[in-house]
Amino acid sequence: QVHLQESGPGLVKPSQNLSLTCTVSGDSISSGSYYWTWIRQPAGKGLEWIGRFYPSGSTDYNSSLKSRVTISGDRSKNQFSLTLTSVTAADTAVYYCARVGQLLSLDYWGQGILVTVSS
Amino acid sequence: SYGLTQPPSLSVSPGQTATITCSGDRLGDKYSSWYQQKPGQSPVLVVYHDTKRPSGIPERFSGSNSGNTATLTISGTQAMDEADYYCQAWYGSTAVFGGGTKLTVL
Repeated sequence: QVHLQESGPGLVKPSQNLSLTCTVSGDSISSGSYYWTWIRQPAGKGLEWIGRFYPSGSTDYNSSLKSRVTISGDRSKNQFSLTLTSVTAADTAVYYCARVGQLLSLDYWGQGILVTVSS
Repeated sequence: SYGLTQPPSLSVSPGQTATITCSGDRLGDKYSSWYQQKPGQSPVLVVYHDTKRPSGIPERFSGSNSGNTATLTISGTQAMDEADYYCQAWYGSTAVFGGGTKLTVL
């Protein structure tokens, strides 16, 4: 069974960088079969796709966040990470990592981590 | 940018059929997925590739996609199906989600 777990600080100050890590078990991010992706959800609102990472190193990002987002992978730790720069209160959300599985569906999701941007 | 449009809410009685629509530019040319999200939980994939159900998803969940509209149908809706439902499709290398539909089972 594939399991994803987000980790990182729950509180980030405005203008600082948000950094989260997703640890994957039950699958290898290096297998080359799937993309790995980040999604966020502000309280009471819908899902917003942030971007995806492919083990070859290629990435794709939401155009609205592209200037502030970096997604990368650490094969040795079977993890992939999200960095969002210059955060504001509008970046407060639950952040999910997920696997882009067969036929490009998001078939496995982490439990989510709440990140609050506040001074 | 692309957008997918869903009705914000839908109410059905137990045992009835719930039909949730998702509209988007040439959506029928893409493969759609649907996710169920209950309060405080992560989304769960219930339909992918327009019509396929992941292992463990009840047969009462089905999907279709044609023209500009994808549809999630829940036949014989049960109280446990009360949740938010999101459609999703890939436009090129970008994932797009619908705004979500809150399904209430009265």
